[in-house]
Amino acid sequence: EIVLAQSPATLSLSPGERATLSCRASQSVSSYLAWYQQKPGQAPRLLIYDASNRATGIPARFSGSGSGTDFTLTISSLEPEDFAVYYCQQRSNLYTFGQGTKLEIK
Amino acid sequence: EVHLVESGGGLVQPGRSLRLSCAASGLTFDDYAMHWVRQAPGKGLEWVSGISWNSDSIGYADSVKGRFTISRDNAKNSLYLQMNSLRPEDTALYYCAKVQAAAVGYFDYWGQGTLVTVSS
Repeated sequence: EIVLAQSPATLSLSPGERATLSCRASQSVSSYLAWYQQKPGQAPRLLIYDASNRATGIPARFSGSGSGTDFTLTISSLEPEDFAVYYCQQRSNLYTFGQGTKLEIK
Repeated sequence: EVHLVESGGGLVQPGRSLRLSCAASGLTFDDYAMHWVRQAPGKGLEWVSGISWNSDSIGYADSVKGRFTISRDNAKNSLYLQMNSLRPEDTALYYCAKVQAAAVGYFDYWGQGTLVTVSS
């Protein structure tokens, strides 16, 4: 099983700041990695797929990068609605999710 | 617009069975693989099972293999999860999710989930 480790567990930032979230895989997943956003009481929303492609309707402030075992989700300038939990997910070998990063308002 | 509506959750004793359903609308259901993903209370996401559009390819997480069975009925636009030998650790909100057309293996539409509680 491929394990995804996300860091940090919690990130405290202010609106307008830049957020950088990390996801590290226990073995290479090539570029087969996605990022999701989940707000309380809601289902997850797909943000980024295949490491760097924005899903339909996702604002340009969200970007993804990386390949192999190290991936990054960047939010260039935080909006109030961006504070949520973010998960990475791989599809290289079955499917697994990271444990999540909580992005909270500082 | 795509809608996925799960049902069938509830309180069940350990060792018992439950069958979840997911009704899909607003899409050509048999164009897409479908999956179940669960989330224990206050915890992260865990992939449970997936099924190809024609049911030829099926996969399970190790944690449910041999106990859960995924199936679909394309004529009814429905996805199912038969859960047997339930354990307390199966307690979770169960989501059905549709794969994204552009890259199979990511989930672009999710239902709101159905809660399964396994407790005596």
